[in-house]
Amino acid sequence: SQTIHQWPATLVQPVGSPLSLECTVEGTSNPNLYWYRQAAGRGLQLLFYSVGIGQISSEVPQNLSASRPQDRQFILSSKKLLLSDSGFYLCAWDRDPNQPQHFGDGTRLSIL
Amino acid sequence: AQSVTQLDSHVSVSEGTPVLLRCNYSSSYSPSLFWYVQHPNKGLQLLLKYTSAATLVKGINGFEAEFKKSETSFHLTKPSAHMSDAAEYFCVVSDRAGGGADGLTFGKGTHLIIQP
Repeated sequence: SQTIHQWPATLVQPVGSPLSLECTVEGTSNPNLYWYRQAAGRGLQLLFYSVGIGQISSEVPQNLSASRPQDRQFILSSKKLLLSDSGFYLCAWDRDPNQPQHFGDGTRLSIL
Repeated sequence: AQSVTQLDSHVSVSEGTPVLLRCNYSSSYSPSLFWYVQHPNKGLQLLLKYTSAATLVKGINGFEAEFKKSETSFHLTKPSAHMSDAAEYFCVVSDRAGGGADGLTFGKGTHLIIQP
């Protein structure tokens, strides 16, 4: 069966520090991969998605970036974190556009 | 372009009473529709999906939803609420032709509160 892993589960970082969140999928090949952010008490905001290795589409201009170095690995990065980057970050995957996405357990990021 | 409207940001019911979470959508094509549940500090878990088969869809944990094309609705129901149902619920519409995010829209969520 397919599984999706995100880490770390929680992260506290100072303003201006770098960021690297990782997401990996197991049990499938060539998935579509997504990064979402969820601010406190709000809905999901799509940040990036990828339909293949090295292919990244950005939905929102910001100081975050994403990379897909391997087929089932999706990384969210920042060189310098802002206070506004705080939130709950979710990774998701799917294979078929008419089938549901599958979500990881998320990373709670707090910026001090 | 498609859209999703979850008509209530908060719904409060007593334990053991029915639950109704409302979702209306608009789509140019025949969409797929999903309901997800999110417990605090957790990812989204799929409750049920409609993909142009039976219009009454049964999901996990006793939830079900009915696709009504004439009303462009996909309301989520449960006959008897349980304390463990307290969570955030998201309605999602997808009329994507391929991979990627074009044609995928999430509702803003409904917070379900269960009173003892």
